[in-house]
Amino acid sequence: GESVGLHLPTLSVQEGDNSIINCAYSNSASDYFIWYKQESGKGPQFIIDIRSNMDKRQGQRVTVLLNKTVKHLSLQIAATQPGDSAVYFCAENSSTLGAGNKLTFGGGTRVLVKP
Amino acid sequence: EPEVTQTPSHQVTQMGQEVILHCVPISNHLYFYWYRQILGQKVEFLVSFYNNEISEKSEIFDDQFSVERPDGSNFTLKIRSTKLEDSAMYFCASRESVNRNIQYFGAGTRLSVL
Repeated sequence: GESVGLHLPTLSVQEGDNSIINCAYSNSASDYFIWYKQESGKGPQFIIDIRSNMDKRQGQRVTVLLNKTVKHLSLQIAATQPGDSAVYFCAENSSTLGAGNKLTFGGGTRVLVKP
Repeated sequence: EPEVTQTPSHQVTQMGQEVILHCVPISNHLYFYWYRQILGQKVEFLVSFYNNEISEKSEIFDDQFSVERPDGSNFTLKIRSTKLEDSAMYFCASRESVNRNIQYFGAGTRLSVL
């Protein structure tokens, strides 16, 4: 079946270093991808998104890269800070119906920032 | 900053009881969603709602589940007869328009079925 999955369940990174979180997807028809951050006890918080007609998009300290050839998505966080410690989810827009736009989530990667 | 508001934050119920989870989406948003997350698992799509009707639902969203937008601000999820396996975090999300794909999530309601 169609799925979105993550390679690394836990990523430990030194404060100030860059973080890279990876995600593989299997639905080649997906046209929209999004990264969420989830802190303990909170709902998913939007970080950055990208459409399938792009291969790179930058935000504040974050960059999303999309490689459609190998169906791979990554989130890069520059100069990781303690406040970046959270679980990060990738998700794809996988609706076959136009108005639904349901998101299919990956399993999540926990990022731990060491001081 | 506008946000999606969910109440209660924690709901405890007995198996077989009905529960209603409440959400107030962002005020100018047109698309509404419910997701759930069983402890330690992925966030799973349940249902999407637009123009006062369900636009898509998952296999999880069986006859025990229903959604309603009773007025211009609330969006509810009802589970008619709860089962132990319904215990999860339930997230409401909303999206502004067809051209704006970002779904904004609430903080969730933790449902515990005993």
